[in-house]
Amino acid sequence: DAGITQSPRHKVTETGTPVTLRCHQTENHRYMYWYRQDPGHGLRLIHYSYGVKDTDKGEVSDGYSVSRSKTEDFLLTLESATSSQTSVYFCAISEGYTGELFFGEGSRLTVL
Amino acid sequence: DQQVKQNSPSLSVQEGRISILNCDYTNSMFDYFLWYKKYPAEGPTFLISISSIKDKNEDGRFTVFLNKSAKHLSLHIVPSQPGDSAVYFCAASGSGGSNYKLTFGKGTLLTVNP
Repeated sequence: DAGITQSPRHKVTETGTPVTLRCHQTENHRYMYWYRQDPGHGLRLIHYSYGVKDTDKGEVSDGYSVSRSKTEDFLLTLESATSSQTSVYFCAISEGYTGELFFGEGSRLTVL
Repeated sequence: DQQVKQNSPSLSVQEGRISILNCDYTNSMFDYFLWYKKYPAEGPTFLISISSIKDKNEDGRFTVFLNKSAKHLSLHIVPSQPGDSAVYFCAASGSGGSNYKLTFGKGTLLTVNP
């Protein structure tokens, strides 16, 4: 199994509070991704990174920011959480070219 | 605009029979296709893939077929087993520098009944 750890695995927070989800990898893969999974929407890309300090937006990036200061860590931040951001968040990593991703176990976020 | 479509939200089959999961795509730049399997409370795991230069790829009980002219791919599971019950996601990636990003369909819940 690919070494991917997400933390926290579960979090309940209130509207308007900041939240940071962490993804840590031990595989030294170049690419890292944050997806969210919602019923009826499948997996949607929020942000991705193609190297240290190199990030770009995905299809549902509004309300989210990311940072990658080290190869192994990719942080997803919700500056001011809203109820629409209640979801399961998955981090994924990839070596690149073929598109095969390895996913973490997910972080369930509930915004009240 | 949904570029990868899985039009069947769910599918139910009997153990031992064939399961066929379908996927359509609209972006002609996609040239690599993957299927992922997801159990509840776990992350998706890679199942099988196919490049656009092929029309079939087989791995044990799993076979993926690609029809480029119809922009359609399908995953066949033969024989189906209760442990195959999961959500299956179709995904695609494109060329032109974007092939490290995947676009996913909404998923199909497969239930294999004993």
